[in-house]
Amino acid sequence: QVQLVQSGAEVKTPGASVKVSCKASAYTFVDYYIHWVRQAPGQGLEWMGCISPHSGDTYYAHRFQGRVTLTTERSASTAYMELGRLTSDDTALYFCARGGPHTYEDLDFWGQGTLITVSS
Amino acid sequence: QSALTQPASVSGSPGQSITISCTAPSDESTTFNSVSWYQQHPGTAPKLLISDVNSWPSGTSNRFSASKSGDTASLTISGLQADDEAHYYCSSYTIRRTWVFGGGTKVTVL
Repeated sequence: QVQLVQSGAEVKTPGASVKVSCKASAYTFVDYYIHWVRQAPGQGLEWMGCISPHSGDTYYAHRFQGRVTLTTERSASTAYMELGRLTSDDTALYFCARGGPHTYEDLDFWGQGTLITVSS
Repeated sequence: QSALTQPASVSGSPGQSITISCTAPSDESTTFNSVSWYQQHPGTAPKLLISDVNSWPSGTSNRFSASKSGDTASLTISGLQADDEAHYYCSSYTIRRTWVFGGGTKVTVL
């Protein structure tokens, strides 16, 4: 069955960067967008951006423009989310999720989440 | 763009029906042509519940139904069960090829 397996939890200091991986299996990786969604403790879901592994096209939420970079490594069926200039407000659970062949399709499979803690 | 507006909480007794609303922001950035719903139990990843209006992914019970009128979408849970106790999020695609979620609604089964 379709699976997205994310890298483990990390603790970062303010101002640092973090890179989270998301390894996909049991489907053709390049055919589906990968989205990134985060959830601060006790809060709701926040969409960050998405990437097409086929074309490399990326779309970012306005508030993350310039601070987040989405990439993929097609040979490894893996997507990456790098977030820079971390502050305590970035402490959250970060999810990757599979979309569809187009940006407007829903997120039908989700990774288990990666907890990023930003603390001095 | 602004998040979609949902009530913070809704509750009901087993067997009852409840409805969760989801309202688009007034800035018209959200197409609201396609509204989807996600369910999240504590400590787990969200799960796609309904894709657009009444398109159920495999595994979703038909006790869940969705509707939309103007700038308001709704999720109805019929025959409420204990396992329905979770957070529910609406989401919509925007004109800028981005996505936006609602703030989430906590459903409590009394």
